Amino acid sequence: DVQLVQSGTEVKKPGESLKISCKGSGYSFSDYWIAWVRQMPGKGLEWMGVIYLGDSSVRYISSFEGQVTISADKSISVAYLQWNNLKASDTAIYFCARGTYHSGHYLDYWGQGTPVAVSS
Amino acid sequence: EIVLTQSPDTLSVSRGDRATLSCRASQHIGDKLIWYQQKPGQAPRLLLHHTSARAPGVPDRFSGSGSGTEFTLAISSVESEDLAVYFCQQDYDWPPAFASGPGTKVESK
Repeated sequence: DVQLVQSGTEVKKPGESLKISCKGSGYSFSDYWIAWVRQMPGKGLEWMGVIYLGDSSVRYISSFEGQVTISADKSISVAYLQWNNLKASDTAIYFCARGTYHSGHYLDYWGQGTPVAVSS
Repeated sequence: EIVLTQSPDTLSVSRGDRATLSCRASQHIGDKLIWYQQKPGQAPRLLLHHTSARAPGVPDRFSGSGSGTEFTLAISSVESEDLAVYFCQQDYDWPPAFASGPGTKVESK
């Protein structure tokens, strides 16, 4: 079965760094791409960016460019989302999700979400 | 950038009702419209892509229609397990984007 398993809940202070992870299993990790999606409390869904695992290129949604870093280690089938300077406004649930090449940018399998709380 | 708008914000239904959810695009997106379902405390789940193609395991009471700028998700006979929030997304152009706002909540009347 295809699974995306994300790292656990994080509680951080403003200004701290954070790297959360998303491990894929049950499929050939490099044959797909991974997107990260933000859901702020009580709000809708927002695309943050995509890592195309075939060539490891990354494309960010403009509002997240420079705010986060998306990366992956294909050898262990893990994608990452990283912040260097967290803000209270980064408090949200972050989902990773899988997409298929040649089918458009839609997300067929999702991780369970990683809650991130940033507060002083 | 393409902007999607969903309506209504909330839809109150009884079991067995037909539910109709709308998603409007700010410009033509062909059939590049996707629907997701999210239940409380869970990750979203892909329901439909390319307007009307059901994802594996999605019951056939869910159907999608529309093209261009107006799209509809219909649930032919609502079951209790369908009570959730529904989001639409376009993938016609970069950036792919969900509808702004908290989606359409289908709740029990």
